[in-house]
Amino acid sequence: QQPVQSPQAVILREGEDAVINCSSSKALYSVHWYRQKHGEAPVFLMILLKGGEQKGHEKISASFNEKKQQSSLYLTASQLSYSGTYFCGTASLQGAQKLVFGQGTRLTINP
Amino acid sequence: EAQVTQNPRYLITVTGKKLTVTCSQNMNHEYMSWYRQDPGLGLRQIYYSMNVEVTDKGDVPEGYKVSRKEKRNFPLILESPSPNQTSLYFCASSLWGGRAGDTQYFGPGTRLTVL
Repeated sequence: QQPVQSPQAVILREGEDAVINCSSSKALYSVHWYRQKHGEAPVFLMILLKGGEQKGHEKISASFNEKKQQSSLYLTASQLSYSGTYFCGTASLQGAQKLVFGQGTRLTINP
Repeated sequence: EAQVTQNPRYLITVTGKKLTVTCSQNMNHEYMSWYRQDPGLGLRQIYYSMNVEVTDKGDVPEGYKVSRKEKRNFPLILESPSPNQTSLYFCASSLWGGRAGDTQYFGPGTRLTVL
């Protein structure tokens, strides 16, 4: 099953924070996060493996709660360049290489 | 420069005419994968490969074939394309297919229209 992302869309002013959630009904082995700008290919942000870790990438970080089968992406002090659609991709314990993506969260950052 | 390349970038074809979309990576990655992207449906995995001669189905494999005869290449074959295969296709590769520290790189995409 496709993981569910929330919210579907969010509009922020530059400098504000955002949280994007990804929830799965399956036990997860890993969660991937990607950003895609209009007309471009997805760009990898980070991968989190089961173990409840939190990872950071500049001002973008993520957490993974394997018990709840949820991951959250945190964008702090957002910049204009953060605009785009964010996708989570999940891999279950039974197939760590088989990725299922959420429907995406469109993030718009205004000046 | 590390990259994943796809060809062609744009293709318009007719129903039933066999076509191949090529994908190549220069990073010596073990894992390669094909996705299609459709409005409202997000990215869906078609096939993936863990290494040469090792391929497996993703979520939407019907109507597609793949082969992995060389580590760097992973072509997507549509033997009898139909209009519902009109989509944006991405090839991707990563070193291990999802371990700690892994990064998946996407190709630029192939926009396919089947009339």
